[in-house]
Amino acid sequence: GENVEQHPSTLSVQEGDSAVIKCTYSDSASNYFPWYKQELGKGPQLIIDIRSNVGEKKDQRIAVTLNKTAKHFSLHITETQPEDSAVYFCAASITGSQGNLIFGKGTKLSVKP
Amino acid sequence: DAGVIQSPRHEVTEMGQEVTLRCKPISGHDYLFWYRQTMMRGLELLIYFNNNVPIDDSGMPEDRFSAKMPNASFSTLKIQPSEPRDSAVYFCASSLMGAQETQYFGPGTRLLVL
Repeated sequence: GENVEQHPSTLSVQEGDSAVIKCTYSDSASNYFPWYKQELGKGPQLIIDIRSNVGEKKDQRIAVTLNKTAKHFSLHITETQPEDSAVYFCAASITGSQGNLIFGKGTKLSVKP
Repeated sequence: DAGVIQSPRHEVTEMGQEVTLRCKPISGHDYLFWYRQTMMRGLELLIYFNNNVPIDDSGMPEDRFSAKMPNASFSTLKIQPSEPRDSAVYFCASSLMGAQETQYFGPGTRLLVL
């Protein structure tokens, strides 16, 4: 089955710097790659997603890139702010799968003012 | 819409007791998911429903766990008997069209089994 590896497990940056989180997946049949942000005491919330027919997607300060050949995708956050501090999860879903979203173990991002 | 609603938010129980977690999905969403989150194993899918029907329960750890969805607006996850290793945060999520669309998570139930 699908396996998703996420790195790093913790990341500390200064406010205004960029943050990059990387994930790799194992099943080439995966075609949907969302990123979720989880704040303390809350459930995960989708922040951006990308499908396999697209190489890059941006939404304001957040961007995601996908390399299907290498089977990895990354989250880029520019001009980080203290409110970006949270745990970020990548995930992957296989074509035709309606239920199985496989999550990475998460990255705890700390943005220092 | 109020989002996905879960109750209780916190549950402390003793080993051997029955625990029932409740979820109200977003109205109109056809898919409902139950996840378990622990430090060691991360976020794991336990079971999901489509139109109130259980589709895949392969993530349910053992027979002590059961889930039902009697109607489109209510689901339960039951653990009987509970064990200390069941301590975790349990999330319910719903979506319009399955795992390849946005899943909306509830606030979770933090379960501690003593």
